[in-house]
Amino acid sequence: KAGVTQTPRYLIKTRGQQVTLSCSPISGHRSVSWYQQTPGQGLQFLFEYFSETQRNKGNFPGRFSGRQFSNSRSEMNVSTLELGDSALYLCASSLVNIDRGLGYTFGSGTRLTVV
Amino acid sequence: QQPVQSPQAVILREGEDAVINCSSSKALYSVHWYRQKHGEAPVFLMILLKGGEQKGHDKISASFNEKKQQSSLYLTASQLSYSGTYFCGTVSSDYKLSFGAGTTVTVRA
Repeated sequence: KAGVTQTPRYLIKTRGQQVTLSCSPISGHRSVSWYQQTPGQGLQFLFEYFSETQRNKGNFPGRFSGRQFSNSRSEMNVSTLELGDSALYLCASSLVNIDRGLGYTFGSGTRLTVV
Repeated sequence: QQPVQSPQAVILREGEDAVINCSSSKALYSVHWYRQKHGEAPVFLMILLKGGEQKGHDKISASFNEKKQQSSLYLTASQLSYSGTYFCGTVSSDYKLSFGAGTTVTVRA
């Protein structure tokens, strides 16, 4: 059974550019969440999607956006990149919503470096 | 609001035990525990639900005190493979899974 696949694995972008990250959840998983991981802030919640609807959003500026497609694949976009956006972006999938009591399976992440 | 984990780090010798604590100021619906090894994705260990019982995973177990909004992860007879950073995640009425800062566990031979 394939795990959660995130592409690309590594990305270097310049300040002011925009970036799109992709996540393919485990087959059959309909819930996808995104997290930002940095040494200083730990794992910070970005958003959760279920059946193409954003169910929840973290405390990030509007430059961070996402979407989910009918096949449950998800993308997140960051516009007008800032140096502070450099981080590991993790995608996690689950069969159901987080409030239904199942754990997440995480992908290996996309390491974004903004220069 | 993120849960608070303690200690920040612990060093063990193989066979020793350790406890990692996680507390929240909010009423919790569930507590998750994950382990992340360096350069790898976090791996789900277990979930404790409100009204549920203590869970176990090999020699790693956890408890959830609903009244105190606290959870503890117990590492028993630690093995080298237990090394990594352990994160607790909590879900409350906002239905967001919020993670603590993590506890780095180092097990030495």
